[in-house]
Amino acid sequence: AQSVTQLGSHVSVSEGALVLLRCNYSSSVPPYLFWYVQYPNQGLQLLLKYTSAATLVKGINGFEAEFKKSETSFHLTKPSAHMSDAAEYFCAVSVNTGFQKLVFGTGTRLLVSP
Amino acid sequence: DAGVIQSPRHEVTEMGQEVTLRCKPISGHDYLFWYRQTMMRGLELLIYFNNNVPIDDSGMPEDRFSAKMPNASFSTLKIQPSEPRDSAVYFCASSSTQGTDTQYFGPGTRLTVL
Repeated sequence: AQSVTQLGSHVSVSEGALVLLRCNYSSSVPPYLFWYVQYPNQGLQLLLKYTSAATLVKGINGFEAEFKKSETSFHLTKPSAHMSDAAEYFCAVSVNTGFQKLVFGTGTRLLVSP
Repeated sequence: DAGVIQSPRHEVTEMGQEVTLRCKPISGHDYLFWYRQTMMRGLELLIYFNNNVPIDDSGMPEDRFSAKMPNASFSTLKIQPSEPRDSAVYFCASSSTQGTDTQYFGPGTRLTVL
């Protein structure tokens, strides 16, 4: 069965610092991988997705993620954090079976200090 | 496009009362998902539909929960009778077979059962 593990329920960075949110996946077949962001009192919004094309995926708001099959990882990065990046981030996995079912990680809350 | 629409946005009710949450998916999407989010359990998939047919309801907590999708543009999640432990944020999401498993989330309904 597919699953994702997000390391760290909370990550704190200073404004302008590098953001690194970790996600490792488990899948017996080539996966699709997603990062979603949830701002306070809002629904989840897609940041970016990997669907077996380029391994380095660029998303909205300056975020990007790299698919590394050898490490079964899909970590999310941003070179310079902004206060508005403070939110909860979810990694998710699905397989190309057409069933459209995502399995979400437990989420990582990003805190950005001035 | 208006996105996924959910109503009500907030619901406060007393234990034992019936609660009905509503969702209108994005036009043309053929998958619809109901999720529940709590601090303790994170984001849980309750049930999902394909072409108005329930495909997987294994996440529905118990018989007090039921979901219907009478047509392609409307779905309900009903809790009867409601209990305090049902307090959570309930999200509806939709996606398209033509897409790559990207789910689009509604703003959620915050349910409080007193």
